[in-house]
This record gives sequence, C-alpha cells and structure tokens, in this order.
Amino acid sequence: NAGVTQTPKFRVLKTGQSMTLLCAQDMNHEYMYWYRQDPGMGLRLIHYSVGEGTTAKGEVPDGYNVSRLKKQNFLLGLESAAPSQTSVYFCASSDSTGTISGYTFGSGTRLTVV
Amino acid sequence: SQKIEQNSEALNIQEGKTATLTCNYTNYSPAYLQWYRQDPGRGPVFLLLIRENEKEKRKERLKVTFDTTLKQSLFHITASQPADSATYLCALESSASKIIFGSGTRLSIRP
Repeated sequence: NAGVTQTPKFRVLKTGQSMTLLCAQDMNHEYMYWYRQDPGMGLRLIHYSVGEGTTAKGEVPDGYNVSRLKKQNFLLGLESAAPSQTSVYFCASSDSTGTISGYTFGSGTRLTVV
Repeated sequence: SQKIEQNSEALNIQEGKTATLTCNYTNYSPAYLQWYRQDPGRGPVFLLLIRENEKEKRKERLKVTFDTTLKQSLFHITASQPADSATYLCALESSASKIIFGSGTRLSIRP
C-alpha cells in the first residue's frame, strides 16, 4: 500500500520555466490537496479538490494551476516559475470528512527556482 | 484575523519526562482539531483527532485535550523517548473540506 506518491522528489528550475508535479494516491480518497511549506510559515494550502473533475483555490493559489482528471491523480502546474515559488510542496489526500484517519501526506517535492 | 499559533521555540525535554505542546487559535470555531508528527525531509503523519465535544483523547503515550472556551489544545507525550523527537503540527478545521495548520513546534528529547 503506497499511500500518496509524489514525483519528482527534487527539481531545480530556472525563472520562467514551467513544470508539473504529480500526486497519486491508492486509497480511493475523494479529497486531495496541494500545500507548500516554507520555514516559519507552516503548511499553506494552494489548491484542493473534493472529487474527480473538481478543483478549488486555497490560501495561496496565485501562480499555480491544478487538474484532477482521474480520482487517483492530482497535478500541480507552475506555468512560469518565480524564485518566490522555491519551497517544499506536499500533496495530501483524505476521505470526504478528513476525520476518520486525518490527511495522508506524500513525502514532498523540494523545488528550487533560480 | 484568524490565527493558529504554536510555540515557535524548540522544546527540549529529558527522556522519561512528559512533553507538553500548546496550540492556540483565534477567530475559528472548529468542529475538530488534529495533531501530526513531521520528521525532517518527510511529510506530516496523522496522530490524533479530537472533536469539539470531546475534552480529552488518548492513544498509547499520547494525550490531547481540547478547550473550546480557551481556544486551546494541549498535546502530551508521557514517558518521552529520543525517538519522539520531531516537529509536531496542530491543524484545525477552517471550513468544510479544509484544515489549516500551525507552523509546528520542534521537540527534542535528550537521553
């Protein structure tokens, strides 16, 4: 049981480049989330999805886009990377209430934009 | 404004003692609150959830309290061990389908 898998684990981008982070879960969870974690800032919600084909903005959505074409996958895109997007990105999933077993997180993607 | 605050200073505890971490919040009325553990280079791992109508929840050496009047949750680790050293995050329901995280408290247990 892999849980939540994120790829890639590390990436260095030049300013203005684009990339897609992939998140896959095998727990049949309805809800999926993308967070970024910066020192002293905690985890901040970028976008989330409450089901296949649906997405919604979180606390810090600017500069990011997402898609949930399949229930098990949630993609995070950066169209034109900026140094301010240097961060560690975490994907998470949960059942529809998030109260049974909390959120299950992936191991993160460390992104550096130079 | 809405805030969720954890002690940003690291907490250093002697092995065998009880570690107590604090989570305070303002301008929220969460139906539940969660605690997570995060090790360096890893994603957070869910530990416990406590609902607004529960005063206390226990799991092995962990105990969580939730005081909706004080707007505070306390997280206790009894008989602490060096393996308990990690960053602990509290998170509360901010709206349907979303939770918001505190910035975490780093706990170090010295032998």
